[in-house]
Amino acid sequence: KAGVTQTPRYLIKTRGQQVTLSCSPISGHRSVSWYQQTPGQGLQFLFEYFSETQRNKGNFPGRFSGRQFSNSRSEMNVSTLELGDSALYLCASSPGTGTGIETQYFGPGTRLLVL
Amino acid sequence: GDSVTQMEGPVTLSEEAFLTINCTYTATGYPSLFWYVQYPGEGLQLLLKATKADDKGSNKGFEATYRKETTSFHLEKGSVQVSDSAVYFCALSDPSTGANSKLTFGKGITLSVRP
Repeated sequence: KAGVTQTPRYLIKTRGQQVTLSCSPISGHRSVSWYQQTPGQGLQFLFEYFSETQRNKGNFPGRFSGRQFSNSRSEMNVSTLELGDSALYLCASSPGTGTGIETQYFGPGTRLLVL
Repeated sequence: GDSVTQMEGPVTLSEEAFLTINCTYTATGYPSLFWYVQYPGEGLQLLLKATKADDKGSNKGFEATYRKETTSFHLEKGSVQVSDSAVYFCALSDPSTGANSKLTFGKGITLSVRP
């Protein structure tokens, strides 16, 4: 099976702009989660989507949003970019249908630099 | 809330040395525990996991035992190789939060193995 893919891999934006990141999960996986990784804060959970609905949300401002399509692909959007949004954004997928804990499989990430 | 504490790094070892990376956790319920590894420029890869007390996860020579009495999940390897150089993250997923797909990560520790 192909792994989780993320596009683009690298992105440079300026303050105030908005950005959209894309994630394609492993085939058959219906849950997609997003994480932000920074040197200062480490890895932090942004949100999770399942069946086109946001199922869980972390503690991030409303500038961070996402959506999921019927084919389980997900996009994450950050509006009004700030310098502190510079980070590696990781996407993870899992089957999403179990009642127990599911292993998350991560993509390579999108590295966003805000100037 | 849930949290994961990892020992401070970085760690530098000689090839064939014994490795221990400490990880302790705080959780409301009975979490599943994970070790993920991140190689330079890549996303996270699942190294091993344990879903209940006294379970031992193992993979590629690495082992970790879920110790409920000490709330720990220390990672060990008997003989490290240069190729083990990476960043190691301890993580948990707590079903009592209602978010089966959410991972809470430790800060990560960088391991460098010299020939």
